[in-house]
Amino acid sequence: AQSVTQLDSQVPVFEEAPVELRCNYSSSVSVYLFWYVQYPNQGLQLLLKYLSGSTLVESINGFEAEFNKSQTSFHLRKPSVHISDTAEYFCAVRATGNQFYFGTGTSLTVIP
Amino acid sequence: DTEVTQTPKHLVMGMTNKKSLKCEQHMGHRAMYWYKQKAKKPPELMFVYSYEKLSINESVPSRFSPECPNSSLLNLHLHALQPEDSALYLCASSQTPGTEANYGYTFGSGTRLTVV
Repeated sequence: AQSVTQLDSQVPVFEEAPVELRCNYSSSVSVYLFWYVQYPNQGLQLLLKYLSGSTLVESINGFEAEFNKSQTSFHLRKPSVHISDTAEYFCAVRATGNQFYFGTGTSLTVIP
Repeated sequence: DTEVTQTPKHLVMGMTNKKSLKCEQHMGHRAMYWYKQKAKKPPELMFVYSYEKLSINESVPSRFSPECPNSSLLNLHLHALQPEDSALYLCASSQTPGTEANYGYTFGSGTRLTVV
């Protein structure tokens, strides 16, 4: 069975400060890992994904995540956040079948 | 066109009403999904359609009835809902069943449903 744990339900951070949103997964097989972002009153948008290869993946808006197999983690980081990064962030895992398993989400609030 | 379009954006309905949610995509995706999302919670899978056929029903009550008239459209028919069914209903699609790992889902903006 697969599951995803996002340890922090809310993360407040000042503008231009760095941030890390934590994600841990459990799976007995190889996994594909994803981060989705949901802005207020909108659907989910794919932020970045790890399928294979380089363990460090980057998005176009400055976020990055590193797949760490030994720690079963896929934490999301950004060195300097903007007000516009305020949103809900969901980590997701897919191992077998068509289903994604979403974490419970982390609400990132960027404070001016 | 790289979007999933959902209508209406907001819906208020009584417990005796019948209404439908609509989802449309023109990306040639052959897998389509309905998710339910409560506030501050992750999306919960309801139904999966693969090549216009229902492939997964996650034990959803019969007051929710999905329909896939063609490869571009997905409906969710609602009847005799309860107040606890109030939520954001998200539609998503992916290129072909089993390719979500490579391409992810494309989500619509959702329909915010309130049952009174």
